[in-house]
Amino acid sequence: AQTVTQSQPEMSVQEAETVTLSCTYDTSESDYYLFWYKQPPSRQMILVIRQEAYKQQNATENRFSVNFQKAAKSFSLKISDSQLGDAAMYFCAYRTRRETSGSRLTFGEGTQLTVNP
Amino acid sequence: NAGVTQTPKFQVLKTGQSMTLQCAQDMNHEYMSWYRQDPGMGLRLIHYSVGAGITDQGEVPNGYNVSRSTTEDFPLRLLSAAPSQTSVYFCASSYFDRGPYGYTFGSGTRLTVV
Repeated sequence: AQTVTQSQPEMSVQEAETVTLSCTYDTSESDYYLFWYKQPPSRQMILVIRQEAYKQQNATENRFSVNFQKAAKSFSLKISDSQLGDAAMYFCAYRTRRETSGSRLTFGEGTQLTVNP
Repeated sequence: NAGVTQTPKFQVLKTGQSMTLQCAQDMNHEYMSWYRQDPGMGLRLIHYSVGAGITDQGEVPNGYNVSRSTTEDFPLRLLSAAPSQTSVYFCASSYFDRGPYGYTFGSGTRLTVV
């Protein structure tokens, strides 16, 4: 079974600065997807960015980018020019592509990000 | 396009009571699932379905029941509520393995069992 680990329960960053959230995972599969979700105080789960394992290029979405290291099984999220609205719980998630496992997502424990003005 | 609609948003139950959390999606997603979120544990899969008439257990299925009679609906039943089931519950849906689609989540149900 796959596992996802986020070793930073809490992180803080100054507004306009850059912060990196860490995520590692364990899998024996070669083809899978990785995601970062944001959960603000409203509780809504919002997809931030996604990465396909077979793609070498790191995904980027505006101020959000990832550092995907497949051999190291690492998938960190970098937030540039942090804004007050980025304050939230961030979850890393793994999705298998094996049909027998359906499309289930496995989540990490989450990292609570605080943005200081 | 409503996405995933989850009801109720809040619920308080007494130990031993039963209830059903409702989930409906209008995106024609094959895959639907229920998660519970507890502090420090992320989201854990309770049950999932890959299509109408097909359901399977996730990591933490005990005390919960599901059925999927239509593509749109995937209710979660608590058979006899226990304080350990106090949690936030999320319903989520997705296309089944058609690409790197993330899930679409409902807004969650905060359940307290006293």
